[in-house]
Amino acid sequence: DAMVIQNPRYQVTQFGKPVTLSCSQTLNHNVMYWYQQKSSQAPKLLFHYYDKDFNNEADTPDNFQSRRPNTSFCFLDIRSPGLGDAAMYLCATSRELGVSNYGYTFGSGTRLTVV
Amino acid sequence: EDKVVQSPLSLVVHEGDTVTLNCSYEVTNFRSLLWYKQEKKAPTFLFMLTSSGIEKKSGRLSSILDKKELSSILNITATQTGDSAIYLCAVMNSGYSTLTFGKGTMLLVSP
Repeated sequence: DAMVIQNPRYQVTQFGKPVTLSCSQTLNHNVMYWYQQKSSQAPKLLFHYYDKDFNNEADTPDNFQSRRPNTSFCFLDIRSPGLGDAAMYLCATSRELGVSNYGYTFGSGTRLTVV
Repeated sequence: EDKVVQSPLSLVVHEGDTVTLNCSYEVTNFRSLLWYKQEKKAPTFLFMLTSSGIEKKSGRLSSILDKKELSSILNITATQTGDSAIYLCAVMNSGYSTLTFGKGTMLLVSP
């Protein structure tokens, strides 16, 4: 029944070793978002896709990239993870930009550890 | 830059207590304010508020928006241990249409 699925739930990667986090959705929503949430911090928007249009936040480091090969899938690539990139990464979707009466639908998140 | 400030950052109460969580915001062209509950996983949607003074209610939870004061409160009555979570407030402006979150209030309800 899960509608926004993130894999894996927990990811350990080595310092500097590229890592990819994945998100899939069964809602057929147009918009997919990636948020980074560090301990005791607000979720911070990294980027979002409206369909195939990619929108990067101005302060998202170049180390973070994203791909959306089709409506259902969106990937977050971290090219050279640093210790400061350890965080929970949340994927979310919405039918359109803006929110319906139900807000965004979030996945369960991937907790990334960098060693 | 849109800004959301939540208070308190953390709170410990006993089961049965009533709690009030606060959210204040600065946003260009305010569109809506949302409350989420986050346990050890994804945030789950609680309320969306767009109009000032209209209370939204779901069971023991209720929330209201005050556009004049640029703030919202989330009330939880007769708290239960299952209410222990981080409560996130987020705002959306009408232009950019993405959510800006506050840091959250960590609520712990002790038996």
